[in-house]
Amino acid sequence: EAGVAQSPRYKIIEKRQSVAFWCNPISGHATLYWYQQILGQGPKLLIQFQNNGVVDDSQLPKDRFSAERLKGVDSTLKIQPAKLEDSAVYLCASSLRRARETQYFGPGTRLLVL
Amino acid sequence: AQSVTQLDSQVPVFEEAPVELRCNYSSSVSVYLFWYVQYPNQGLQLLLKYLSGSTLVKGINGFEAEFNKSQTSFHLRKPSVHISDTAEYFCAVGQQGGSEKLVFGKGTKLTVNP
Repeated sequence: EAGVAQSPRYKIIEKRQSVAFWCNPISGHATLYWYQQILGQGPKLLIQFQNNGVVDDSQLPKDRFSAERLKGVDSTLKIQPAKLEDSAVYLCASSLRRARETQYFGPGTRLLVL
Repeated sequence: AQSVTQLDSQVPVFEEAPVELRCNYSSSVSVYLFWYVQYPNQGLQLLLKYLSGSTLVKGINGFEAEFNKSQTSFHLRKPSVHISDTAEYFCAVGQQGGSEKLVFGKGTKLTVNP
């Protein structure tokens, strides 16, 4: 069974530029999560989708971050414009339905904002 | 809102020694508890979880954890560690009801020395 796929693996941009990350969850998983992991900290949930609906986006900085999950499968997370403090690893995860179930994580995208 | 405290940021041990990684949580409602492990340059993977029932939970690779409601703790233990257990360990809590979103601790870096 294929795992959670993410691309790109690494990205370096300058502040005020925009960037997009892509995630393809495990086939059949209804729930998809985007986490931000800043160096030295645990993952922080940015947004949680169930199918193509948003379940929780309370910690998403909506003035600069956006995410979509069209057709309830793959998802894109965008930052526009980026700030220095956005430098982090962006993790995508998926689970069958509920957050209490095992979440399967992708390898992450490491973003450096200069 | 729930929160998690991992009391030790780094734990060095010798191979074949026992280890305990501490986790305390705070929540006003019933919780689910998880331990995830992140090996170098890899995504997070589930070690074990407590949803309900027996308070002693066994996971992969010989790890176990005990849910203690009165002490609001969920400490992770292994009686004898291997070099290959060197990794970062994250405790996470989810609240029953609502989105059940996970809140992660800052992580404990376990280093097993020969």
